[in-house]
Amino acid sequence: SAVISQKPSRDICQRGTSLTIQCQVDSQVTMMFWYRQQPGQSLTLIATANQGSEATYESGFVIDKFPISRPNLTFSTLTVSNMSPEDSSIYLCSVEGTGVVNEQFFGPGTRLTVL
Amino acid sequence: DAKTTQPNSMESNEEEPVHLPCNHSTISGTDYIHWYRQLPSQGPEYVIHGLTSNVNNRMASLAIAEDRKSSTLILHRATLRDAAVYYCILRDINTGTASKLTFGTGTRLQVTL
Repeated sequence: SAVISQKPSRDICQRGTSLTIQCQVDSQVTMMFWYRQQPGQSLTLIATANQGSEATYESGFVIDKFPISRPNLTFSTLTVSNMSPEDSSIYLCSVEGTGVVNEQFFGPGTRLTVL
Repeated sequence: DAKTTQPNSMESNEEEPVHLPCNHSTISGTDYIHWYRQLPSQGPEYVIHGLTSNVNNRMASLAIAEDRKSSTLILHRATLRDAAVYYCILRDINTGTASKLTFGTGTRLQVTL
């Protein structure tokens, strides 16, 4: 299993500003994932972050809006840039386990409110 | 990605079994069926997965139809702590996108005393 922590757990931000969300894992992992969960909705994958390479973004998400860093095998950051109220969501990071099941483990999420 | 269809919500009484259905009529031969659940104010957690045969673990059982076009997650004795949104997800292990999880709308399970 993997234990994942995220900082901050929640934040309230003004439109036009940026917020960087941190994701820390208690073990070394190759792939990390960032998801967004809009209010009352399901999870949507934003991007996949492999250590040592550029993140791969899903359709509808761009690097300028959601830059991602992956400096080592236990840490990643997601920045939400130039925020608007539509960016109000829960942002979650996850990692894939290394066992037979290859299940994903999720962090507790960062609840972002943009005013 | 092959899609899944689940009821929006279900209700159960505590201590009774719960059968959560999932339709995946376009499933391919290399798609595994995974179930995750999301408890209130938490990230999703893995529940169970299977390919063709029924599966059991400490959390639940997974019953897979013979033609694999549907499956059912079975909670043998629902408790209040099982109230969550349950997601049925197909993962193709033979493609480069095997690690991606595509979440549908899921089934919100309410458990009452």
